[in-house]
Amino acid sequence: GENVEQHPSTLSVQEGDSAVIKCTYSDSASNYFPWYKQELGKRPQLIIDIRSNVGEKKDQRIAVTLNKTAKHFSLHITETQPEDSAVYFCAASMAGTASKLTFGTGTRLQVTL
Amino acid sequence: GAVVSQHPSRVICKSGTSVKIECRSLDFQATTMFWYRQFPKKSLMLMATSNEGSKATYEQGVEKDKFLINHASLTLSTLTVTSAHPEDSSFYICSARLWAPTQETQYFGPGTRLLVL
Repeated sequence: GENVEQHPSTLSVQEGDSAVIKCTYSDSASNYFPWYKQELGKRPQLIIDIRSNVGEKKDQRIAVTLNKTAKHFSLHITETQPEDSAVYFCAASMAGTASKLTFGTGTRLQVTL
Repeated sequence: GAVVSQHPSRVICKSGTSVKIECRSLDFQATTMFWYRQFPKKSLMLMATSNEGSKATYEQGVEKDKFLINHASLTLSTLTVTSAHPEDSSFYICSARLWAPTQETQYFGPGTRLLVL
């Protein structure tokens, strides 16, 4: 089955700096890669996703890049703000598997003032 | 749009009792819903895939007789933890997939925190 690894496990940045979280996946058949943000005790919220037919997607301060050859994808947050502090999860799924998501282990992002 | 609700948000029960958790897609139909378990400071672990009108598909290591799943309509899936024990205490989260041939996006419910005494 699919295996998703995520790094780093914790990340501390100063407000205004950029943050990058990286994930690798094992199954080359995976073709959908969402990123979720989870605040303490809350539900995971989809923040951005990318499908395997594109290499990059951007939404304001958030961007995701995908390298299918290397089987890795990354989340980039620019101009970080304190409200970006949360746990971020990457995930991967493959069409035809009822969209089962395999999650990474999570990255705890702390944006300090 | 794409709102998923979950009820109850918290439940405390005695060991040996059964607990039912409901997951509803409020503004869309979901032929497929998913049930996850999340331990403190850990990732989401998929327990089972709930399919409307058919049996759920359980992940390896998840006891289907322990965690009963029913997906009776396009907007409701239920998870029943039978004969709960303290080790079943956890945060249970459901998600629902928007119904569309190529739609992959999952939207999550707010979760249910279960404490078994």
